Amino acid sequence: LAKTTQPISMDSYEGQEVNITCSHNNIATNDYITWYQQFPSQGPRFIIQGYKTKVTNEVASLFIPADRKSSTLSLPRVSLSDTAVYYCLVHTGGGNKLTFGTGTQLKVEL
Amino acid sequence: GAGVSQSPSNKVTEKGKDVELRCDPISGHTALYWYRQSLGQGLEFLIYFQGNSAPDKSGLPSDRFSAERTGGSVSTLTIQRTQQEDSAVYLCASSSSQGNTIYFGEGSWLTVV
Repeated sequence: LAKTTQPISMDSYEGQEVNITCSHNNIATNDYITWYQQFPSQGPRFIIQGYKTKVTNEVASLFIPADRKSSTLSLPRVSLSDTAVYYCLVHTGGGNKLTFGTGTQLKVEL
Repeated sequence: GAGVSQSPSNKVTEKGKDVELRCDPISGHTALYWYRQSLGQGLEFLIYFQGNSAPDKSGLPSDRFSAERTGGSVSTLTIQRTQQEDSAVYLCASSSSQGNTIYFGEGSWLTVV
């Protein structure tokens, strides 16, 4: 299982773009990269998933370089409600031991 | 069901009592995971099931913890002789056999007094 490393915390202001990078140097060929968001007192919520290059959905973009040893979650124009912990997970298909990293606490201020 | 369902949502128990936490995964999901999250901490992996089998139980904190899954669906996490350090939220998640997306429930909040 690929170990992930993320910044412990990040601060931003409303309206700014936030980029959170996750390092996963020993990612395997079959591994996918998934990002989750967790608010206090709630379970983690799926944000976005990718394998390579760039993926975009209605809430975020995920950038993955060719070597796949890192990935960057991009949140455009954050608001106060984006204050949460963001986890990067690298894993293969269902039914494996899945270990989350420490996550990144994003704090958005006015 | 539409999502992963966990019960009870909140449980307060006395030290030394046994507790059972239930997880009902998304219908058709063969993989099921249990995590523990203490206040302000990250997600601690406990155990996962593929069908009714648990290939790796190394994440269970002690022999007071056990989990089972029957019929490839509902799972129960049992904590015997609870201790105050067991106080945490216990999160369950599920995914399909080929699925790369794991869906979490809202957790069961356990407080041992």
